[in-house]
Amino acid sequence: RKEVEQDPGPFNVPEGATVAFNCTYSNSASQSFFWYRQDCRKEPKLLMSVYSSGNEDGRFTAQLNRASQYISLLIRDSKLSDSATYLCVVNGPGFQKLVFGTGTRLLVSP
Amino acid sequence: DGGITQSPKYLFRKEGQNVTLSCEQNLNHDAMYWYRQDPGQGLRLIYYSQIVNDFQKGDIAEGYSVSREKKESFPLTVTSAQKNPTAFYLCASRGGAEQPQHFGDGTRLSIL
Repeated sequence: RKEVEQDPGPFNVPEGATVAFNCTYSNSASQSFFWYRQDCRKEPKLLMSVYSSGNEDGRFTAQLNRASQYISLLIRDSKLSDSATYLCVVNGPGFQKLVFGTGTRLLVSP
Repeated sequence: DGGITQSPKYLFRKEGQNVTLSCEQNLNHDAMYWYRQDPGQGLRLIYYSQIVNDFQKGDIAEGYSVSREKKESFPLTVTSAQKNPTAFYLCASRGGAEQPQHFGDGTRLSIL
């Protein structure tokens, strides 16, 4: 089983739609969880950290389910500019490194 | 401005040549990382360093070498032993065990 698994997509949605991505992780001892966004041919950029109680940042909501070992990202009112690859990131064993999922591609169309 | 600077943005390697990619950070972070990304693929960890003068191999260290003589700097050398070096190389740093990583804007390496 991969350490972090994501559906590669692409998810094709119209502007204004709500879309959700899930990500599962294998290390039950993981303590830190993040969502990054990566645009084509650019570096990944931190979108948001994921906290145990769930957290929201504008149109973005992140949730953590420790029992089932998955995290989710919900994007409301999708914009064209949300088109990107979304990377799920989790602490690796020993917490010395982060493990990146391969990403979920989102395409928002007019 | 605090951040991570990678140079050069584009690099071309000849057969049998070693090349060095620079990564400098002024975030005062202890931990630094090197990743490789191939087109349409995820990030793969090459090497990482938790502290000056110490570093560990990641998942794909063969054909690469690093040094960490200063806290601010973590250069990556792509040696001639790396037979397929064409990729996007990303350097990152991290301020603590539960902190996110911050990335430089990458170096694209190609073979001439």
